[in-house]
Amino acid sequence: GENVEQHPSTLSVQEGDSAVIKCTYSDSASNYFPWYKQELGKGPQLIIDIRSNVGEKKDQRIAVTLNKTAKHFSLHITETQPEDSAVYFCAAWSASKIIFGSGTRLSIRP
Amino acid sequence: DSGVTQTPKHLITATGQRVTLRCSPRSGDLSVYWYQQSLDQGLQFLIQYYNGEERAKGNILERFSAQQFPDLHSELNLSSLELGDSALYFCASSPHGETREPQHFGDGTRLSIL
Repeated sequence: GENVEQHPSTLSVQEGDSAVIKCTYSDSASNYFPWYKQELGKGPQLIIDIRSNVGEKKDQRIAVTLNKTAKHFSLHITETQPEDSAVYFCAAWSASKIIFGSGTRLSIRP
Repeated sequence: DSGVTQTPKHLITATGQRVTLRCSPRSGDLSVYWYQQSLDQGLQFLIQYYNGEERAKGNILERFSAQQFPDLHSELNLSSLELGDSALYFCASSPHGETREPQHFGDGTRLSIL
């Protein structure tokens, strides 16, 4: 079946440095790729998304890039802050269903 | 606050029992989605409803069922519960249930089976 692979599973970065999380998807028909942030005890929160007709999208310190040929997309967080610590999930829509990656636990070291 | 309300926040019950989880979507959203989040399976899509009708089905077990009512709130019914059903259950909503539409999640119901 269709799947989404996410790497790394854990990531620790120094406050102020950048963090990058990568995902690959299997369904070439996928055309919408949201990223979610999940804090402890909360539901996933949409932080940024990208559609297949766009290669890059930026929102303040967060950016997402999409390479349709290689079927991978990445989340970039610059100037990381303590409040960026959370679990991040990528996702891809495939045949009317959304498939999530397995998550990345991001820790920001002071 | 996403605007999606889920009740109860926690539920503890025993194997073989039946429970009902409730979700109220954001104001104006017509579509509701249910997800299961467990440590070993991650976030799994269960089922989607749009304006009262089932629209898409994911990895939902036959012991589970859902419905969306005329006021657009939704219920997920889990029966003949097993230990492996212990998980977080999330509801999400979107305006039109289209595939390229952002979904907004509630804070979930934590189900513990003893």
